[in-house]
Amino acid sequence: KAGVTQTPRYLIKTRGQQVTLSCSPISGHRSVSWYQQTPGQGLQFLFEYFSETQRNKGNFPGRFSGRQFSNSRSEMNVSTLELGDSALYLCASNTGSQGTDTQYFGPGTRLTVL
Amino acid sequence: DQQVKQNSPSLSVQEGRISILNCDYTNSMFDYFLWYKKYPAEGPTFLISISSIKDKNEDGRFTVFLNKSAKHLSLHIVPSQPGDSAVYFCAASNAGNNRKLIWGLGTSLAVNP
Repeated sequence: KAGVTQTPRYLIKTRGQQVTLSCSPISGHRSVSWYQQTPGQGLQFLFEYFSETQRNKGNFPGRFSGRQFSNSRSEMNVSTLELGDSALYLCASNTGSQGTDTQYFGPGTRLTVL
Repeated sequence: DQQVKQNSPSLSVQEGRISILNCDYTNSMFDYFLWYKKYPAEGPTFLISISSIKDKNEDGRFTVFLNKSAKHLSLHIVPSQPGDSAVYFCAASNAGNNRKLIWGLGTSLAVNP
């Protein structure tokens, strides 16, 4: 079974631009969660989507948004990029049926904002 | 405010010895705890978990211990192998919102041959 895939793997943007990251979950998984990883803050939860609906949300500004499609693929968008948005963005999928389901992570997208 | 704390940023052990990674939490509502391992340029990989109804869970060389009164958990790796060298993250969730994991900052483990 193929793992979680994320595209692109690396991205360089400038301040003020917007960016869209994509995540394809493991086949059969209906939940996709997004995390931001930075050296000082560790992994921070952005949001979770299940069956095309946002089910959980972390404490990030409205510039961070996401969506999920009917095939469970998810996209994350960051508008008006700031230098502090430079980070590794990870997505994770699970079946979504039970709270203790293991989350499976993709390799991440490394975003650099200049 | 970090609800999940891994106070040791790094740890170095000899191959064959025991590695002990520690994690403390502040939220008494947490009832499910997980350890993930992360290699450079890869996403975290699930290692082992424990529910608050248990105080120990074992899987091969990996054992997690939970002390609820102290709000402390630890991961023991015995024997340690060079391939275990990675960053280890502790994560926790609560009964009301199990899908929202709260993470520690990680401990970088180096196992020396």
